[in-house]
Amino acid sequence: GAVVSQHPSWVICKSGTSVKIECRSLDFQATTMFWYRQFPKQSLMLMATSNEGSKATYEQGVEKDKFLINHASLTLSTLTVTSAHPEDSSFYICSARASGRAGEQYFGPGTRLTVT
Amino acid sequence: RKEVEQDPGPFNVPEGATVAFNCTYSNSASQSFFWYRQDCRKEPKLLMSVYSSGNEDGRFTAQLNRASQYISLLIRDSKLSDSATYLCAVKRGSYIPTFGRGTSLIVHP
Repeated sequence: GAVVSQHPSWVICKSGTSVKIECRSLDFQATTMFWYRQFPKQSLMLMATSNEGSKATYEQGVEKDKFLINHASLTLSTLTVTSAHPEDSSFYICSARASGRAGEQYFGPGTRLTVT
Repeated sequence: RKEVEQDPGPFNVPEGATVAFNCTYSNSASQSFFWYRQDCRKEPKLLMSVYSSGNEDGRFTAQLNRASQYISLLIRDSKLSDSATYLCAVKRGSYIPTFGRGTSLIVHP
């Protein structure tokens, strides 16, 4: 199946700092990538849809100025959590949809963010 | 009512048992259905798509009941390695899938 990588896999940062998470599709081109957040024992919550070369579409309740998304190429999307606070601590997962594979999403391994 | 609902469990079963869980969806226009497996602190991985006629993959059987708007996953001859959280996902057309919160399965010796 298609491979999606994320970096870093885990990060601990101090409150007020910014953290960048990278999502890459390794063996296919992804015009669309998705960013999810998952709190313990909760479902995946879609944060935003990232389209290559255009602005991301954010879900209701997600602050676009706090969660900056850049999809600069067909294989890379980045999520920057700006001025992180402890309540931003969560598991952030990206996924990518490959062309021609309707309905199937391939997830990255996730990034565990802890803000102290 | 949530768009996709699952019993969070946990379902605690012995090795070799058969276990089934359901996932209900509220939007009758939903067209595509999937089961994902998620291990602790890992990303979800596609287990199987669910087809209208039902489908089987080894010990796993998925079924769709459109009239009652639910999908099911049956696991036969449970293995210890089946312990995980099983997420269902429901999709309309080209819309992004909506995930349930997952059902936790624990298979014990």
